[in-house]
Amino acid sequence: DAEITQSPRHKITETGRQVTLACHQTWNHNNMFWYRQDLGHGLRLIHYSYGVQDTNKGEVSDGYSVSRSNTEDLPLTLESAASSQTSVYFCASSHDRTTDTQYFGPGTRLTVL
Amino acid sequence: GQSLEQPSEVTAVEGAIVQINCTYQTSGFYGLSWYQQHDGGAPTFLSYNALDGLEETGRFSSFLSRSDSYGYLLLQELQMKDSASYFCAVREGTGGFKTIFGAGTRLFVKA
Repeated sequence: DAEITQSPRHKITETGRQVTLACHQTWNHNNMFWYRQDLGHGLRLIHYSYGVQDTNKGEVSDGYSVSRSNTEDLPLTLESAASSQTSVYFCASSHDRTTDTQYFGPGTRLTVL
Repeated sequence: GQSLEQPSEVTAVEGAIVQINCTYQTSGFYGLSWYQQHDGGAPTFLSYNALDGLEETGRFSSFLSRSDSYGYLLLQELQMKDSASYFCAVREGTGGFKTIFGAGTRLFVKA
C-alpha cells in the first residue's frame, strides 16, 4: 500500500546542531509539505514543494530548509537547532491541487535541549 | 493579513449534533478544508469546500459561504470516537497556493 513515512519518530538534540528530518511518500504525489504543530497554534506551514527542484517558504520558514531532488522525498533540515524549534513536525503530500486533500505522515517529535 | 478563527473547545453528548464554526480572513481564497486529529495521531482529511453550500459525507457535513468568509463542520449522531481536534484550513494564494490551518477545536463527546 502507498504511504507516507517520517523518520526518526522521536529525536533529542542539542542547541546549535544540524538536524535533518526525513519524509518519504510512495504515492508519487507532486505536492509535499512540512508543518510544525505546537499547542495553541495548530499546524503552521514551514516549507512546501510542488515538484522536483521546486521549494517554497511557508509561514515559519526561518531556520529551516528543504530540498526536492526526487518525487518521493522532502527532507527538512534545521541548520542550527534552537530550543524554540522543539515541536512535533508533520510531513504531508497531496496529488490534487484543486481539492487540496493532504495525507499526513505520523509525525516526528523533536526536542532541542 | 491572514487569519482563521474557530472555537478552542466544544463539548457535546453522545448521539447529539455539534457544529464547529470557522471564520477566515485571507487573500486569494480557493477553498476550505476540515481535518480531524486524535491525540497522538496525524491529521486526517475530512472534507473540502470550494463553492458555497453544504457537502455531506456520512455523519459529517461541511458548509461554506464565501461571501461571509465563513464555514462550519457539522457532526451528527456523535460517537465517543469523534472526540478529537478539528482543524479548518484555507487554501489560499496570490501567484501560488498554500494551505493555512486554524488553531483547532477540541471536541469532547460525553456519554
